Amino acid sequence: GIQVEQSPPDLILQEGANSTLRCNFSDSVNNLQWFHQNPWGQLINLFYIPSGTKQNGRLSATTVATERYSLLYISSSQTTDSGVYFCAVDFAGNQFYFGTGTSLTVIP
Amino acid sequence: EAGVTQSPTHLIKTRGQQATLRCSPISGHTSVYWYQQALGLGLQFLLWYDEGEERNRGNFPPRFSGRQFPNYSSELNVNALELEDSALYLCASRGTMRSNQPQQFGDGTRLSIL
Repeated sequence: GIQVEQSPPDLILQEGANSTLRCNFSDSVNNLQWFHQNPWGQLINLFYIPSGTKQNGRLSATTVATERYSLLYISSSQTTDSGVYFCAVDFAGNQFYFGTGTSLTVIP
Repeated sequence: EAGVTQSPTHLIKTRGQQATLRCSPISGHTSVYWYQQALGLGLQFLLWYDEGEERNRGNFPPRFSGRQFPNYSSELNVNALELEDSALYLCASRGTMRSNQPQQFGDGTRLSIL
């Protein structure tokens, strides 16, 4: 069946550290998004990245569609990066399936 | 450009009542998606509307229903509310049914069942 798996489930970082979050998916991907959910529940769209690499400031993402995974890199982490990071995958152009998320805590 | 707007922000109901949640998509977007996020859990797909029609439905009972209006705004209705319906309900919009565009989310409605 359709699976979207994220790792690690939980991550605690010292401010300034770097991290890599992973999203594995079970089938060919049509679209893929990374989101950050802040402590107030707001979902912020980070990247729309069905393939290739994109960068936005301290964040970057890479999707290797042929190997069915995507990576989100966070460099020089800040306390405001805390929250839950979700990947969402659209396999057939109709709905997105969300992973279970990575909960990130950045401590000062 | 105005983002996806949802109302109300918070809604408190009791068991057995009915709740109506509303979503206005980004101007020009025709697809609207509804998700449920129970406390501490991930997002579960509820419903997808495009061009006024229900296109897909998640694994939820029939008391979860909705509709999309001609202006592409949408309502989610939950009948016979149960305690486990307490959750954050998120709406997202997207360009068109087959567009390769990202979903954009609203800030959600927090539904509490007492």
